[in-house]
Amino acid sequence: KAGVTQTPRYLIKTRGQQVTLSCSPISGHRSVSWYQQTPGQGLQFLFEYFSETQRNKGNFPGRFSGRQFSNSRSEMNVSTLELGDSALYLCASAASPGDTEAFFGQGTRLTVV
Amino acid sequence: GQQVMQIPQYQHVQEGEDFTTYCNSSTTLSNIQWYKQRPGGHPVFLIQLVKSGEVKKQKRLTFQFGEAKKNSSLHITATQTTDVGTYFCAPLLTSGTYKYIFGTGTRLKVLA
Repeated sequence: KAGVTQTPRYLIKTRGQQVTLSCSPISGHRSVSWYQQTPGQGLQFLFEYFSETQRNKGNFPGRFSGRQFSNSRSEMNVSTLELGDSALYLCASAASPGDTEAFFGQGTRLTVV
Repeated sequence: GQQVMQIPQYQHVQEGEDFTTYCNSSTTLSNIQWYKQRPGGHPVFLIQLVKSGEVKKQKRLTFQFGEAKKNSSLHITATQTTDVGTYFCAPLLTSGTYKYIFGTGTRLKVLA
């Protein structure tokens, strides 16, 4: 069974640009959550999707958005990038929200210059 | 809002010594999960605790959920160099929002 796949693994963008990150969950999993990890702030919850619906959203500005497709694949988008958006973006997949273990992808390392 | 504190933030131990990290919440939790993240890696699920006062063991690791379901601990007996990494607790709120708030993490270094 393939694990959670995140693409791309590494990304370098310039301030003001936008970026789209992709996450393919484990086959059969319908819940996808996104997290931002930085050395100073730890793992910060961005949002969670289940069956194409955003169920929860963390405390991030509107520049951060996401969506989930009918095949459960999810994308997150960050517009008007800022230097502080440099981080490891992790996606976690679960069979259903909340009460099962989450499987994390390897993450996308975003660097904003 | 929900706050989850983990202590200590860092811990250096000699190989063979024990290690404990604590996770404390300001509100009652539905359940709590623990994850381990190796340096350069991604968080990997270790265990989930659901019942008040629950204790679970995985070889040298012992996990506890407090009676009031507001705190939890992870204890490692006789640490090994393979235990190096950051340990996160991830409590699930009772509000049913199915949103895991990760603790601040405890970074463990094991000195050989």
